[in-house]
Amino acid sequence: DTGVSQDPRHKITKRGQNVTFRCDPISEHNRLYWYRQTLGQGPEFLTYFQNEAQLEKSRLLSDRFSAERPKGSFSTLEIQRTEQGDSAMYLCASSITGYEQYFGPGTRLTVT
Amino acid sequence: QKEVEQDPGPLSVPEGAIVSLNCTYSNSAFQYFMWYRQYSRKGPELLMYTYSSGNKEDGRFTAQVDKSSKYISLFIRDSQPSDSATYLCAMRAGGSYIPTFGRGTSLIVHP
Repeated sequence: DTGVSQDPRHKITKRGQNVTFRCDPISEHNRLYWYRQTLGQGPEFLTYFQNEAQLEKSRLLSDRFSAERPKGSFSTLEIQRTEQGDSAMYLCASSITGYEQYFGPGTRLTVT
Repeated sequence: QKEVEQDPGPLSVPEGAIVSLNCTYSNSAFQYFMWYRQYSRKGPELLMYTYSSGNKEDGRFTAQVDKSSKYISLFIRDSQPSDSATYLCAMRAGGSYIPTFGRGTSLIVHP
């Protein structure tokens, strides 16, 4: 399968803990996006990379969130000091044109 | 008011029906319009992608864009139970690579 992969698929953590998610984009896709989706809502943009450069971050993105894409390949999204409101599906998408985005299966985070 | 409005449904139809899914938007800068299908607990899958106004057909799916009314539609012909999913519209402005999504419409096609 050469699609976008995300790891882990599910994460349960206690409030206050740090979590890190990984996304592997489709090979040669230079654009990578992170989104958050809560139940009954569409994906909400978090951040966008072109190659290794983080070009955009949502104003809604708390300082507790940080993302990296070293060497322009895989990306990680870290949430520090998790809160119950962080419980959501975290989606990664990649694109080569910037127009059509291909999503991964998501990481479901539950903060207890 | 959100930039993109989409009725969450659910929309329930019998197998074989023609389904119409719609979104309205307020940002006149939007030029690129997408429809995604999302099965429960899965990531969205791109179905259709259109630029500006007009129609685009792909198999049983037809996407329509009416920029003058700020209204887009997705039609599904000969609907199947396997079409049961949430359908998300998304759109973005020219020069931006960041789409804005609707909240999705839940579609149920019953045999």
